Amino acid sequence: EVQLVESGGGLVQPGGSLRLSCAASGFSFTNYEMNWVRQAPGKGLEWVSYISSSDGTIDYADSVKGRFTISGDSAKNSLYLQMNSLRAEDTAVYYCARDSKLHYYDTTGQRWPHDVFDIWGQGTMVTVSS
Amino acid sequence: DIQMTQSPSSLSASVGDRVTITCRASQTITNYLNWYQQKPGKAPKLLIYAASSLQSGVPSRFSGSGSGTDFTLTISSLQPEDFATYYCQQTFSTPRCFGQGTKLEIK
Repeated sequence: EVQLVESGGGLVQPGGSLRLSCAASGFSFTNYEMNWVRQAPGKGLEWVSYISSSDGTIDYADSVKGRFTISGDSAKNSLYLQMNSLRAEDTAVYYCARDSKLHYYDTTGQRWPHDVFDIWGQGTMVTVSS
Repeated sequence: DIQMTQSPSSLSASVGDRVTITCRASQTITNYLNWYQQKPGKAPKLLIYAASSLQSGVPSRFSGSGSGTDFTLTISSLQPEDFATYYCQQTFSTPRCFGQGTKLEIK
């Protein structure tokens, strides 16, 4: 079964650090681009970070740039998010999500790849509070 | 960065109703637009990609349309399991941001 399982969330004080893990099964995460998405309590979805194992591309939302680091371990088939200098506004459920390419065929028959977040973990809660 | 704006923010409807949710991008995204459904305490689920393509396994009462900057998600006949929050997402450029969500509630 294709699935993602996050772990590592918890309660941390402002200024502290936490490392989230996302274990992939049923597929090799190095064959896909992977993302972290978070959702503050009662709020919407916010994309946090992205990694492409194929070309090494990494990107972050401005709100976490310089504080969070995304990485992966192919041997463990796992994705990580190192979170430093945590703030109250980082309190959220953190999801890892697989980024797949589904194809759209236009009226001429030309094929266009579209990125979708097709597999999501169950989420892990991070609470930043003193 | 591209901004995504959904309307309405919340919507009350009854089982069997036809419902439409709108998503507007701050600049053109051609058809690089996805729709997700999220139920309380659960991860989002992909419904529609490329603005109008139905993800495998999603009921045909869900449909999407639009291109450029304006998009719609339509549920043709609401079922009890459809009451949830819906998000649009643009994948035309990074960051691949989401709309703020539309909460669909039972009337």
